[in-house]
Amino acid sequence: DVKVTQSSRYLVKRTGEKVFLECVQDMDHENMFWYRQDPGLGLRLIYFSYDVKMKEKGDIPEGYSVSREKKERFSLILESASTNQTSMYLCASSFYRGGETQYFGPGTRLLVL
Amino acid sequence: AQSVTQLGSHVSVSEGALVLLRCNYSSSVPPYLFWYVQYPNQGLQLLLKYTSAATLVKGINGFEAEFKKSETSFHLTKPSAHMSDAAEYFCAVILPGVFGNEKLTFGTGTRLTIIP
Repeated sequence: DVKVTQSSRYLVKRTGEKVFLECVQDMDHENMFWYRQDPGLGLRLIYFSYDVKMKEKGDIPEGYSVSREKKERFSLILESASTNQTSMYLCASSFYRGGETQYFGPGTRLLVL
Repeated sequence: AQSVTQLGSHVSVSEGALVLLRCNYSSSVPPYLFWYVQYPNQGLQLLLKYTSAATLVKGINGFEAEFKKSETSFHLTKPSAHMSDAAEYFCAVILPGVFGNEKLTFGTGTRLTIIP
């Protein structure tokens, strides 16, 4: 079974803090993705990565950065957390072939106070 | 560019009744289409996937969806709802083989409630 794990299920941070969300996949997938999920808006892509040390902006990259130093690990960084970044964050991975299924982690629910 | 529209943010059906969740898509090339399900406090799980083979796709838990090019639709159905089907459902589209466009585009989701 494909397994995508996220470092925390729930996280509470204060405004201005630097926040790291970690994602690890065990299927040797080339592609990895970070989404945020908000009620009524569905899932929106923040960043994605085709390969180690490569990254591409998604639809809503502002206020976020990412890091992919190893193939299996993709980190999302909130440089200075703000209350409007309170959300559910979902990581996903897939093989690097067109149209491959994305497999999702359980999500991290982040609350910024 | 591609997009997905899910009609109805909330759908309620009685246990044992037909489930119909609607999804319409827009894409510049033949798409792949997905339905994912999200149970409370969990990530997304793939229900089924259309990849230009058979237009009627069968998925897990008794769900199926039919790709209709003329209607640009990919509606999800289940003949008889079960209490365990209560969840949020997302339709998504991807344009396969378009380099640099390996991104899933999601609809806004439909929350399915099952009435006992």
